[in-house]
Amino acid sequence: DAGVIQSPRHEVTEMGQEVTLRCKPISGHDYLFWYRQTMMRGLELLIYFNNNVPIDDSGMPEDRFSAKMPNASFSTLKIQPSEPRDSAVYFCASSSDGYGYTFGSGTRLTVV
Amino acid sequence: TQLLEQSPQFLSIQEGENLTVYCNSSSVFSSLQWYRQEPGEGPVLLVTVVTGGEVKKLKRLTFQFGDARKDSSLHITAAQPGDTGLYLCAGDSTGNQFYFGTGTSLTVIP
Repeated sequence: DAGVIQSPRHEVTEMGQEVTLRCKPISGHDYLFWYRQTMMRGLELLIYFNNNVPIDDSGMPEDRFSAKMPNASFSTLKIQPSEPRDSAVYFCASSSDGYGYTFGSGTRLTVV
Repeated sequence: TQLLEQSPQFLSIQEGENLTVYCNSSSVFSSLQWYRQEPGEGPVLLVTVVTGGEVKKLKRLTFQFGDARKDSSLHITAAQPGDTGLYLCAGDSTGNQFYFGTGTSLTVIP
């Protein structure tokens, strides 16, 4: 089992550019979560999916953020346009029962 | 959002010492989890507790869920350098949504 796979590991982009983060959950896991981690705010839940359907996106900061899960093996988190305050580590996690989370290694995003 | 406060925020101890970190909230949780995160990696699940007063042991780590299911503690006996990391608690009160605490950064000095 390769675990939860996120790409890219690091992303540096200029303010105003579009950024797309990718996640491949563990096969068979029905739940997928996107989190953001910063020193100031810790780990924040952005959105989660169950069986590819978005269940709660109340944590998405604003309309610049969007997430999709077109199938059980792939999800994206998109930021358009990006801003310096979006700089953070973004984690994807998956779960088979909504309880035991397995996290990916994260994408470190820097917006300059 | 359920507020989970962890204390202390930072902890630096010598190898062999014991320590306890705390996770407190005003909310009642149906379950609570503890994770350890190492630099450059995602958090790794250590344990899940679901019953008030429950105690779970994982080698030198002892986890306790408060009777009222609002708080939890993690006790490490004879800490080792490999225990170094960020310890996070996460509580679930609404079903399938875990909110994370602020974290305790532990450094064990050889």
